[in-house]
Amino acid sequence: QKEVEQDPGPLSVPEGAIVSLNCTYSNSAFQYFMWYRQYSRKGPELLMYTYSSGNKEDGRFTAQVDKSSKYISLFIRDSQPSDSATYLCAMMETSYDKVIFGPGTSLSVIP
Amino acid sequence: NAGVTQTPKFRVLKTGQSMTLLCAQDMNHEYMYWYRQDPGMGLRLIHYSVGEGTTAKGEVPDGYNVSRLKKQNFLLGLESAAPSQTSVYFCASSQPRTSGNEQFFGPGTRLTVL
Repeated sequence: QKEVEQDPGPLSVPEGAIVSLNCTYSNSAFQYFMWYRQYSRKGPELLMYTYSSGNKEDGRFTAQVDKSSKYISLFIRDSQPSDSATYLCAMMETSYDKVIFGPGTSLSVIP
Repeated sequence: NAGVTQTPKFRVLKTGQSMTLLCAQDMNHEYMYWYRQDPGMGLRLIHYSVGEGTTAKGEVPDGYNVSRLKKQNFLLGLESAAPSQTSVYFCASSQPRTSGNEQFFGPGTRLTVL
């Protein structure tokens, strides 16, 4: 079993839809949870960051962490074609540890 | 600020050839990383460095060597390239804090080994 699992997609949605992206993990010691967005032929960039459990909202994006279920989610409201990218979840035990990345979910938002 | 830059952007090698990938960052970050990204595998850590003059192995270090002689540079070497090393290579840097450890990535190097 991989340490972090993520449905690779591809996921295709119409513009304006609500998108839900998810990751599961096996290491209960993870405390820092991140979502990176990677446009085609570019390097990943940090989108959202959450410490421990709970929700965090930033504009159209909401990150949720459920440590009891070892499950994290990223919701995108009113999705736009510019949201078309690969979304990578990432996590680590402490801020000084190595980051473990999920394989990424490819998202296409169709105008 | 240029952020994280990588040289070269593309490279084609023949099996057995050697090459060095250069990563440079201008953010004065302590930590630097080399990843490879393959379809369906996500980002896998090859080697990393927590400061000038230090290096450590990551998840997939075999066939690669690294050096961090200057804080701003992190070099990745392939001594004898193999087709299995065909991949996209990303360098990243970060400055860990108790509040988190955001990694900043370069644009990537696309390497093909024939």
